[in-house]
This record gives sequence, structure tokens and C-alpha cells, in this order.
Amino acid sequence: NAGVTQTPKFQVLKTGQSMTLQCAQDMNHEYMSWYRQDPGMGLRLIHYSVGAGITDQGEVPNGYNVSRSTTEDFPLRLLSAAPSQTSVYFCASSPRGFGRDKGELFFGEGSRLTVL
Amino acid sequence: AQSVTQLDSHVSVSEGTPVLLRCNYSSSYSPSLFWYVQHPNKGLQLLLKYTSAATLVKGINGFEAEFKKSETSFHLTKPSAHMSDAAEYFCVVTSTSGTYKYIFGTGTRLKVLA
Repeated sequence: NAGVTQTPKFQVLKTGQSMTLQCAQDMNHEYMSWYRQDPGMGLRLIHYSVGAGITDQGEVPNGYNVSRSTTEDFPLRLLSAAPSQTSVYFCASSPRGFGRDKGELFFGEGSRLTVL
Repeated sequence: AQSVTQLDSHVSVSEGTPVLLRCNYSSSYSPSLFWYVQHPNKGLQLLLKYTSAATLVKGINGFEAEFKKSETSFHLTKPSAHMSDAAEYFCVVTSTSGTYKYIFGTGTRLKVLA
């Protein structure tokens, strides 16, 4: 049972380069999201999706694009990398709950990105 | 809009003594609340969650948390700290209505002293 799979685990980019962080889940979860983790700031939501074809912005969306063409995949694209995007990125998914019972988030292992 | 505040960025306890990690939330609607733990260079693991049932929630590894609506709090406790509890802990809130988002606190780093 793979759960949430993120690739790559490590990446070094030069300023201005573009790249895509991949995220796939095999649990048929409707909800998927991307966070970035920086020291002292917790996890900040970049983009999220509540189902195929539906995406929305989180707290820090600038410089990132997402799409959700299938239930399983939710790639995060950095359009033109900047040093401020150096961070650890986490993808997470959840079985969308109903009413008051929101499902827990399942996390990938993270992708450490350095922008020089 | 939802928000969550973890009142302490660092907590130090001696092994065998109680742990208290504090979390206050703001939510316009009935919230779901979670605590996650992250060990160094690892991903995040769910400790426990509150949805709508009992206000005292038991989690893994002896942790528990109490939902107090009047105080808008969801503090995490453990009767006796173990060295393996040293990690960063995150309180998370989401809402039953409005935008479907999970909002994280800034984290509390727990240090356990021998």
C-alpha cells in the first residue's frame, strides 16, 4: 500500500528554472493539497483540490501552479524558481469527510528543494 | 476564516513528567481538530483527531487532547514523557463549512531531558 508518493525527494535548481514536483495517491482520496514547510512557520498551504478538475489557492500560491486531471495525481509546478522557494514541500491527501467528520490528512515523505 | 495558534514554540520537560502542548483555534463553524507529530527529517504522523464525538480524545503513544469549545482550545497532554516523544507537534484546524482547508499552527518543538 503506497499511500502518498512524492518525487523527487531532493532537487537543486538555479534561479529562473522551472520544475514539477509530482504527487500521487492510491487511496482514491478526493482532497489533495501542497504545503511548504519553513523553520518557525509551520506548514503553509500552497494549493489544494477537492476533486478532479477543481483547484484553489491556499495561503502562499504565488509562483506555483497546480492541476488535477485525475483523482490520483496532483503535480505542483514552479514556473520560475526563486531562492525564496527553497523549502521542504509536502503533498497530503484526505478522504473528504461529510458533515462534522473531516478525514485526516495523509502525508508524503516530503521533497527538499534548494534554489540557488 | 479558520486559524490556529500554538502558544509555545518550544517546550522542555524531564523524562517521566507530564507534557502539555497548548493550542487555541478560531473557526466560524464547528471545527475538526487534529494533532500531528513530526520527528526530525521525517514526514507527519497523525496523533489524534476530534470531529464531533467525545470531547476527550485519545491518540497514539499515550497522548490525549480535550476539546473545550468555551475556551476554543484543544491542548495536547501526556502523563509521562518519554525520550522518544522529542519531536515537533502541529495543531491543525479545519471547518465543516465554507472553504475546505486544513490550517496548521506554527508548531511546538518538544524537548525531553534525561
